[in-house]
Amino acid sequence: EAQVTQNPRYLITVTGKKLTVTCSQNMNHEYMSWYRQDPGLGLRQIYYSMNVEVTDKGDVPEGYKVSRKEKRNFPLILESPSPNQTSLYFCASSSTGRQYSNQPQHFGDGTRLSIL
Amino acid sequence: KNQVEQSPQSLIILEGKNCTLQCNYTVSPFSNLRWYKQDTGRGPVSLTIMTFSENTKSNGRYTATLDADTKQSSLHITASQLSDSASYICVVTGGYNKLIFGAGTRLAVHP
Repeated sequence: EAQVTQNPRYLITVTGKKLTVTCSQNMNHEYMSWYRQDPGLGLRQIYYSMNVEVTDKGDVPEGYKVSRKEKRNFPLILESPSPNQTSLYFCASSSTGRQYSNQPQHFGDGTRLSIL
Repeated sequence: KNQVEQSPQSLIILEGKNCTLQCNYTVSPFSNLRWYKQDTGRGPVSLTIMTFSENTKSNGRYTATLDADTKQSSLHITASQLSDSASYICVVTGGYNKLIFGAGTRLAVHP
């Protein structure tokens, strides 16, 4: 089954304790992206990757890191989490990130992070 | 400023009724417009994608329309079902493949 898998689904942690949210897709997609979703706001892009070893900042990259060492995986790293990073996070992938592409993005089921 | 605004914020309808959700955007340049459905506790799922040359696109009981001149789109749901209860998100792709998301319309279908 084609899917984007995120882990963990839920995490409660404390300020400053490094954490990693994993994302894996089995569709051989080139493009992957991380978003955060906060109440009353649309999804906001954190980082994206057009292909292996190619990553770029989205709208709200501060406090986050990513890597794309292999095509299927795109982990999101919070080196020193803070309470304002409490949010619902989504990983997404699509076959291409090229302009004018009509390919949809496939989303994972989300990771709810609470930073105390 | 590139923005996508959706209305209403929330909507309650009875099962079997039709409804229409609105999306207005100020994104330029414009590549395409997408509607996604997001069930509670799940990630968004694509319903339709339209380019500037497409006026309408259907996916089962969902029909999206696009007026590129007025920069408006609508999503019409016919004969609603309880399973249609979800948030519906309008997403516009602008320059450099930038995605701009609306805040969504939360739809509740009651029996």
